Amino acid sequence: QVQLVESGGGLVKPGGSLRLSCAASGFTFSDYYMSWIRQAPGKGLEWVSSISSGGSTRYYADSVRGRFTISRDNAKNSLYLQMNSLGAEDTALYYCVKDGRSATTSIRDWGQGTLVTVSS
Amino acid sequence: DIQMTQSPSSLSASVGDRVTITCRASQVISNYLAWFQQKPGKAPKSLIYAASTLQSGVPSRFSGSGSGTDFTLTISSLQPEDFATYYCQQYNSYPRTFGQGTMVEIK
Repeated sequence: QVQLVESGGGLVKPGGSLRLSCAASGFTFSDYYMSWIRQAPGKGLEWVSSISSGGSTRYYADSVRGRFTISRDNAKNSLYLQMNSLGAEDTALYYCVKDGRSATTSIRDWGQGTLVTVSS
Repeated sequence: DIQMTQSPSSLSASVGDRVTITCRASQVISNYLAWFQQKPGKAPKSLIYAASTLQSGVPSRFSGSGSGTDFTLTISSLQPEDFATYYCQQYNSYPRTFGQGTMVEIK
């Protein structure tokens, strides 16, 4: 079955950087769009970024554009999110999600999330 | 950006009740609408895609309808395990956007 396991979260100071990883298994990773979605404590879901199956097309929320970079390594079945210039507003649980095979397909599966806390 | 507005923000219902949650998009999104269920401390679960198609394994008491800008999620007979927060999301275009969520509580 599909497994998405996030790692790399932790406590970081404002202005710092962090790199999240997501190890995928149970499906042909290179066939699917992938995304990151976050949830601040006690708040709703916020889409962060998506990447096409081959990695050539990337999409970002305005709130993270220019600070975050999504990438993938299809040979390693892994998704990444490089986060720079972090601020308190980036404190959240970050979920790795498996989309579909095109830009107009829905989320199918979710990881369990990795917590990012930005605090001095 | 497409704004997604859910109503109500919360509701109280009893086991066996029929529950309906609505989601309105600020512009036409065809049927590119998904519903998710989230229980406290857990990752969201995908329930419905393409406005009305149940994900594999989702009980048939859940149903979705709508197209264009107005959508509904219906639970025909609320079960104890259905008490959760429900979110809609449009995937017609980027940026993807979610509704603010509807918390379904026990009456």
